[in-house]
Amino acid sequence: EADIYQTPRYLVIGTGKKITLECSQTMGHDKMYWYQQDPGMELHLIHYSYGVNSTEKGDLSSESTVSRIRTEHFPLTLESARPSHTSQYLCASSPSATNEKLFFGSGTQLSVL
Amino acid sequence: GENVEQHPSTLSVQEGDSAVIKCTYSDSASNYFPWYKQELGKRPQLIIDIRSNVGEKKDQRIAVTLNKTAKHFSLHITETQPEDSAVYFCAASRSGLTGGGNKLTFGTGTQLKVEL
Repeated sequence: EADIYQTPRYLVIGTGKKITLECSQTMGHDKMYWYQQDPGMELHLIHYSYGVNSTEKGDLSSESTVSRIRTEHFPLTLESARPSHTSQYLCASSPSATNEKLFFGSGTQLSVL
Repeated sequence: GENVEQHPSTLSVQEGDSAVIKCTYSDSASNYFPWYKQELGKRPQLIIDIRSNVGEKKDQRIAVTLNKTAKHFSLHITETQPEDSAVYFCAASRSGLTGGGNKLTFGTGTQLKVEL
C-alpha cells in the first residue's frame, strides 16, 4: 500500500548518542519534509527537500542533518543527541508544486535522557 | 516570510453546536490555504483546503471561507460530534512555485473539544 513510513516509532537514548530517524514513502512524491512537534502543539519545519540531492533548512533552527539520495528516502540524523532534542519528529511528503497536500508519517517519539 | 496566526488556541462546544476557528496570514502572495486535523496520538490529515480564486468551499459539515482583502480565512464545523475533537491547524503557502517558494506555514493549532 502506498504510504509514508517512519521508523522507529519510539526511541529512548542517552545523551551524546548518534541517531538516524528513517522516513520512506512509496507514493513517488518529489517533496519531503521533517517537522518537529511537541504533543498537540505547533508544527515546526526543520528540513525539506524538493527532490534528489536537494535539501534545505526549515524555519526552526535544528542541529540535525538530512540527505536525499533516493526519491523515496529522507533520513534525519542527530550527530550528538541532547535532552533538548526530546520531541516528536514527523516526516511528510507531497506530490508536486501544484498539489501541495501533505501526507504525514506516524512520527518518531524521541526521548533523550 | 509568511506568518500565520490562529485563534482560539482552545475551543469547547456542546455536541450539535457549531465551531469556528480563525486564521490570519501576512503574505498577500499566499494563494493556498489548507486545514489539517490531528487526533490524539495520530498523524495530521488534510480535511479541506481552499485556493485564492474562491471565497468559500464546503464538504459536508465542514466549510472554509477566505477573505483575501482582510487576509484571513476560517474553518466552520456544523453539527459537531465527539469525533470532531482534535487539534486543528491552518496553513498558508504560495502554490505552484518550484523550489523553496511554496513551503507551508502552519498556525499554532486549536484544540477543539466537543462535549456530550
